[in-house]
Amino acid sequence: QKEVEQNSGPLSVPEGAIASLNCTYSDRGSQSFFWYRQYSGKSPELIMSIYSNGDKEDGRFTAQLNKASQYVSLLIRDSQPSDSATYLCAVNKGSARQLTFGSGTQLTVLP
Amino acid sequence: EPEVTQTPSHQVTQMGQEVILRCVPISNHLYFYWYRQILGQKVEFLVSFYNNEISEKSEIFDDQFSVERPDGSNFTLKIRSTKLEDSAMYFCASRRSRQGDDEQYFGPGTRLTVT
Repeated sequence: QKEVEQNSGPLSVPEGAIASLNCTYSDRGSQSFFWYRQYSGKSPELIMSIYSNGDKEDGRFTAQLNKASQYVSLLIRDSQPSDSATYLCAVNKGSARQLTFGSGTQLTVLP
Repeated sequence: EPEVTQTPSHQVTQMGQEVILRCVPISNHLYFYWYRQILGQKVEFLVSFYNNEISEKSEIFDDQFSVERPDGSNFTLKIRSTKLEDSAMYFCASRRSRQGDDEQYFGPGTRLTVT
């Protein structure tokens, strides 16, 4: 079983719609969860962190965490073409809190 | 806003040569990391560094790799004898050491091409 799994996509949504991205993880001891956005050829950019069960909202982004189901999701409301990117789910582990990444979901927002 | 910087942005080297990739982490951060991403693949952890020593390393980080913090600002990754399969994007990241804040911020990366 992969440590962090994401649907690779591609996921296409029309401009203004809600994009829903999902991630599952295998290590029940994981404490911290992150969503990064990566444009082609660029570095991962942190967009959300979530540490406890429930929802966390930041502007158009909402992260949801369910530790019992080992599931993390990211909702993007009012999607814009500039949101088109690969979204990486990451979980930290170990004493150094190093990140384990999923393979990413490619999102395309169609104008 | 403070950010992680990396140099060079692109390095081309011949197989068997040594390369040094440089990073300047965010100034009040205490944990430093190197990750790599082979084209089309996921981001992979290489090594973490805290208090002037390696705190964790992955299986990828073998004897060909080393890290150093030669002064108060720079953090370097050295690959002693590069192989073709070392071609990848190398990202430096840093993190504050603060309870409840595990966020890591990534630099722009160095694209390493081994020919």
